[in-house]
Amino acid sequence: AQTVTQSQPEMSVQEAETVTLSCTYDTSENNYYLFWYKQPPSRQMILVIRQEAYKQQNATENRFSVNFQKAAKSFSLKISDSQLGDTAMYFCALNAGNNRKLIWGLGTSLAVNP
Amino acid sequence: DGGITQSPKYLFRKEGQNVTLSCEQNLNHDAMYWYRQDPGQGLRLIYYSQIVNDFQKGDIAEGYSVSREKKESFPLTVTSAQKNPTAFYLCASRQAAFSGNTIYFGEGSWLTVV
Repeated sequence: AQTVTQSQPEMSVQEAETVTLSCTYDTSENNYYLFWYKQPPSRQMILVIRQEAYKQQNATENRFSVNFQKAAKSFSLKISDSQLGDTAMYFCALNAGNNRKLIWGLGTSLAVNP
Repeated sequence: DGGITQSPKYLFRKEGQNVTLSCEQNLNHDAMYWYRQDPGQGLRLIYYSQIVNDFQKGDIAEGYSVSREKKESFPLTVTSAQKNPTAFYLCASRQAAFSGNTIYFGEGSWLTVV
């Protein structure tokens, strides 16, 4: 079975500081992709970052980066220089092998405080 | 602009009524999805379609129906058989239902039973 676990239901961080959101997953497939999505109060789901399992280099998008530990099946998201607009639910997702569906974590609610 | 359009944004349903949520995309994507999101919860897959005139049940298909007569359109009907339809509904699409492809979302529709 393929699973995604986000163990932190809620987190908070001060503006301009760095925060790391955790995600662990399980799959027996060798070929898979991992995603982080952001859902702000507007409820629009927005792709934050995407990682191919066969790439050893961690993906980076501006202030967002991941720490992809393949052996540990861990895919954490680091947000640097946190901004008030980063306040949102963050979802981790896995798409593996021939699975036509994404497997979603339950999300982490992040509050950035001024 | 390319994107996914969901309508209406807010919909109220009386007990025993069927309602249809519209989802249109102009991204030329083959695969389309419907998700349900309850307050404070993650995403649950209702139905998905990999190609025109074909669709598969997701994890919570009971009480819902879909059609895929055109590539651009994937409407969701919430039938009277769905006992607890009040939720936020998200439509999504991606180029093809392969694990590497990023999934993109519409802005969502709120359905409330009155």
